[in-house]
Amino acid sequence: EAGVTQSPTHLIKTRGQQATLRCSPISGHTSVYWYQQALGLGLQFLLWYDEGEERNRGNFPPRFSGRQFPNYSSELNVNALELEDSALYLCASSSTVNYGYTFGSGTRLTVV
Amino acid sequence: GESVGLHLPTLSVQEGDNSIINCAYSNSASDYFIWYKQESGKGPQFIIDIRSNMDKRQGQRVTVLLNKTVKHLSLQIAATQPGDSAVYFCAETRPTGANSKLTFGKGITLSVRP
Repeated sequence: EAGVTQSPTHLIKTRGQQATLRCSPISGHTSVYWYQQALGLGLQFLLWYDEGEERNRGNFPPRFSGRQFPNYSSELNVNALELEDSALYLCASSSTVNYGYTFGSGTRLTVV
Repeated sequence: GESVGLHLPTLSVQEGDNSIINCAYSNSASDYFIWYKQESGKGPQFIIDIRSNMDKRQGQRVTVLLNKTVKHLSLQIAATQPGDSAVYFCAETRPTGANSKLTFGKGITLSVRP
């Protein structure tokens, strides 16, 4: 069984640009979660999607947005990139809401 | 506010010794707790979980203890090996609902000395 896959692995953007990160959940998982992990820090909750709907949102500005597609894959968009957006962005999926997260390996976003 | 925190940022242990990683949580409504291990360059990996109706749960070489009275969670690793070197996170969540999500602690680095 394929795990959670994220793309790209690495992404370098210039301040002010937009970044798009993608996530494919484990087959059969309907919930997708996005977390930001700044270097040396913990995981900060960004967004939770389930059945195509945004269920919850963390304490991040509106320039962080996303969506979930009918096949349950998800996209995270970050507009007007700032230097402090540089971080590892992790996606996780689960089949039962809230339980048993499986994480992908993340996308390392670097803003220069 | 809610928080899940770890008492120490780093832990160094001798190979073969037992490791104990501690975590405190502040939300008494939390009913499900998970320990994750994150190796360099990888996403967090599930280690073991425990529900609030349990005090202890054992896995392979790992044991999680939950003390609801003092809102404390610990992860015990028996016979620590070099491959156990990683950052460990505790996480908590509450019953499903509009605000449901996993809340993670800051993480503690476990370093195993040969």
